[in-house]
Amino acid sequence: AQTVTQSQPEMSVQEAETVTLSCTYDTSESDYYLFWYKQPPSRQMILVIRQEAYKQQNATENRFSVNFQKAAKSFSLKISDSQLGDAAMYFCAYRSALTSGSRLTFGEGTQLTVNP
Amino acid sequence: DGGITQSPKYLFRKEGQNVTLSCEQNLNHDAMYWYRQDPGQGLRLIYYSQIVNDFQKGDIAEGYSVSREKKESFPLTVTSAQKNPTAFYLCASSRGTSGRTGELFFGEGSRLTVL
Repeated sequence: AQTVTQSQPEMSVQEAETVTLSCTYDTSESDYYLFWYKQPPSRQMILVIRQEAYKQQNATENRFSVNFQKAAKSFSLKISDSQLGDAAMYFCAYRSALTSGSRLTFGEGTQLTVNP
Repeated sequence: DGGITQSPKYLFRKEGQNVTLSCEQNLNHDAMYWYRQDPGQGLRLIYYSQIVNDFQKGDIAEGYSVSREKKESFPLTVTSAQKNPTAFYLCASSRGTSGRTGELFFGEGSRLTVL
């Protein structure tokens, strides 16, 4: 079974600075997807960014980018020019591309605080 | 607008009672999911459904039941057999049944408290 590990329960960053959230995963598969979801105080899960394992290029979405190291099974999220609205719980998630109806497996989450 | 609607947002239950959480989607998605979230933990899968009239157990299905009579609806019943039901419950859907269909879309969640 796949597992996802986020080793940083809490992180903080100053407004306008850059922060990196870590995620590692364990899988024997070669074809899969990785995601970062954001859960603000409203508790709704919002997709931040996704990465397809067979694509070598790291995904970027505006101020959000990932560092995908497939051999190391590492998938970190970098937030540039942090804003107060970025404060939330961030979850890393894994989804197999091979299994029909495959579920999303989540890490434990990292609580990000943005200081003004 | 398309989306996933969960109700109620807050629910209180006495011990020994069954309760049903509603989840409705108008995204025309085939697959639907129920996750449980506890403080300090990630989301854990309870049940999921790939098509109407079919569903599979997730990692923590004991004490829960589901039905999928319509494509749009996937209600979750928390039974009295669930020993620690107080939690936040999230419903999600995805476009297809293959992992290649990408991300899951989530509802706003339901907070269940057992008194």
